Amino acid sequence: SQQGEEDPQALSIQEGENATMNCSYKTSINNLQWYRQNSGRGLVHLILIRSNEREKHSGRLRVTLDTSKKSSSLLITASRAADTASYFCATLYNFNKFYFGSGTKLNVKP
Amino acid sequence: EAQVTQNPRYLITVTGKKLTVTCSQNMNHEYMSWYRQDPGLGLRQIYYSMNVEVTDKGDVPEGYKVSRKEKRNFPLILESPSPNQTSLYFCASSTFFRTSTEAFFGQGTRLTVV
Repeated sequence: SQQGEEDPQALSIQEGENATMNCSYKTSINNLQWYRQNSGRGLVHLILIRSNEREKHSGRLRVTLDTSKKSSSLLITASRAADTASYFCATLYNFNKFYFGSGTKLNVKP
Repeated sequence: EAQVTQNPRYLITVTGKKLTVTCSQNMNHEYMSWYRQDPGLGLRQIYYSMNVEVTDKGDVPEGYKVSRKEKRNFPLILESPSPNQTSLYFCASSTFFRTSTEAFFGQGTRLTVV
């Protein structure tokens, strides 16, 4: 399978702390995206990083991509209780296949 | 408002009774796909479509059918549902993939087959 693997599977932190999630994948990609899912609802796109980019920022989100290690990380700074959700990385291959990781469940305690 | 609409949101059915889950998008996207989400397995792609009348299998197509007769609609058909198809299903759409394309997801259909 070309699906990504996410690490950790679950993460529990206090409000105000930073949360870091990692994603690894298996073959060359076109881009890597991070999505958020609240409690069994639809996924919402957070941020996209192209294969030729190394780092991207969006608000409190920071994504890095290391294509040599086939891995990415998502950092959420100054976390809030409202950030509690599951986070998925998704990789695009051959411009037509889209694979998701198994997700990291983040719990931010107030 | 740009959106992907799935119906129904919840469905309980019996083994063997054919059912269709509808998916419609209003963004004129070429690419549409179906996923199922199961605990510990993440999202797995069932089928995808690159455009009207163009469909292809994803990773877990067994037991499912799709059609793409119009650009906006991509229904998922279970001809003879079985309990192992109990899952949370998502439809997604996007423009034809470029390096900067994101996918838009429906709210999900929770299917229970008894």
